[in-house]
Amino acid sequence: GENVEQHPSTLSVQEGDSAVIKCTYSDSASNYFPWYKQELGKRPQLIIDIRSNVGEKKDQRIAVTLNKTAKHFSLHITETQPEDSAVYFCAATLTGNTPLVFGKGTRLSVIA
Amino acid sequence: GAVVSQHPSWVICKSGTSVKIECRSLDFQATTMFWYRQFPKQSLMLMATSNEGSKATYEQGVEKDKFLINHASLTLSTLTVTSAHPEDSSFYICSARSRSHGTGELFFGEGSRLTVL
Repeated sequence: GENVEQHPSTLSVQEGDSAVIKCTYSDSASNYFPWYKQELGKRPQLIIDIRSNVGEKKDQRIAVTLNKTAKHFSLHITETQPEDSAVYFCAATLTGNTPLVFGKGTRLSVIA
Repeated sequence: GAVVSQHPSWVICKSGTSVKIECRSLDFQATTMFWYRQFPKQSLMLMATSNEGSKATYEQGVEKDKFLINHASLTLSTLTVTSAHPEDSSFYICSARSRSHGTGELFFGEGSRLTVL
């Protein structure tokens, strides 16, 4: 089955700096790669996703890149703000009725 | 996006009792729902895949007789933790895809925090 590795486990950045979180996946059949933000005690919230037919996607300060050959994808947050502080999870799956497999998460702290 | 509602949001019970958690898709039909468990400071771990009208598929290491899943309709799946023990204390969260939303995005319920005394 799918296995997703995520790094780093914790990340501290100064406000205004960029943050990068990286994930690798094992199943070359996976074709959907979402990123979730989870605040303490709350449900994960989708912040951006990418499909295997796309190499990069951007939404304001957030971007995701995908390298299918290397089976890795990354989340980039620019101009970080304190409210970006949360735990971020990457995930991978084959769309349809297959479940998401999550990485272990990255705790991002943005220091004002 | 699609709405998934989960109830209760938190529950405290005594060891040995059973607890039922409900997961409803409010504005779409979900033939498949996924149940995850999240321990403090850990990731979401898939427990089982719930299929409407058929038996759930459990992940390795998850006891099907302890975590009973019923998916009796296209909008409701329930997870019952039977004979709960303190080690079952966790954040349980359901999710589902909406075909009508077409993106493959997984929509999550609010989660249920179970504390077993």
